[in-house]
Amino acid sequence: GAVVSQHPSRVICKSGTSVKIECRSLDFQATTMFWYRQFPKQSLMLMATSNEGSKATYEQGVEKDKFLINHASLTLSTLTVTSAHPEDSSFYICSAFGGGAGEQYFGPGTRLTVT
Amino acid sequence: EDQVTQSPEALRLQEGESSSLNCSYTVSGLRGLFWYRQDPGKGPEFLFTLYSAGEEKEKERLKATLTKKESFLHITAPKPEDSATYLCAVQASNDYKLSFGAGTTVTVRA
Repeated sequence: GAVVSQHPSRVICKSGTSVKIECRSLDFQATTMFWYRQFPKQSLMLMATSNEGSKATYEQGVEKDKFLINHASLTLSTLTVTSAHPEDSSFYICSAFGGGAGEQYFGPGTRLTVT
Repeated sequence: EDQVTQSPEALRLQEGESSSLNCSYTVSGLRGLFWYRQDPGKGPEFLFTLYSAGEEKEKERLKATLTKKESFLHITAPKPEDSATYLCAVQASNDYKLSFGAGTTVTVRA
């Protein structure tokens, strides 16, 4: 099956610093990747859609200058949380879509804690 | 706007006690309805995609069905390892984004 990895799995950073999260599709080329955020006991909320070689499309209410997304290749997308604050602490999950039937395959998630 | 409602919110089962989870949806043209399983602290694991009313898919103790308004995930003779949160999501025909429901947390006691 399709495998998606994320790095790091956990990160703790201080308020005001920036954190980069990588999402890789390991065995297929992902034309589109999606970034989600999940708060405890809540479902996944889509943050943005990332297409290889073009600018990301952000959902309403998501600050594009705070959450920088770069989809540099067909196997790698990165999410950078800039000037992180404690309220940015959450579980960030990416998914990759390779076209065809429409399935999205999810990474294992990154737990971000901002102190 | 696409909407997905899952019920119940939580389900406690005895091992071997079969049950069903519901996913009601409204979407402007359905491309696909997806079921995922999520364990605590992990990303969702793909289970099924259903594309049209009347379609059914099975995997081990799980069976998913689809009508024009809802989908059911049937768990037959569950085991403790089936304990997880089951997420339902829809994809509209004009987009590849997924809209998720809040999930049903299933706990199976031995």
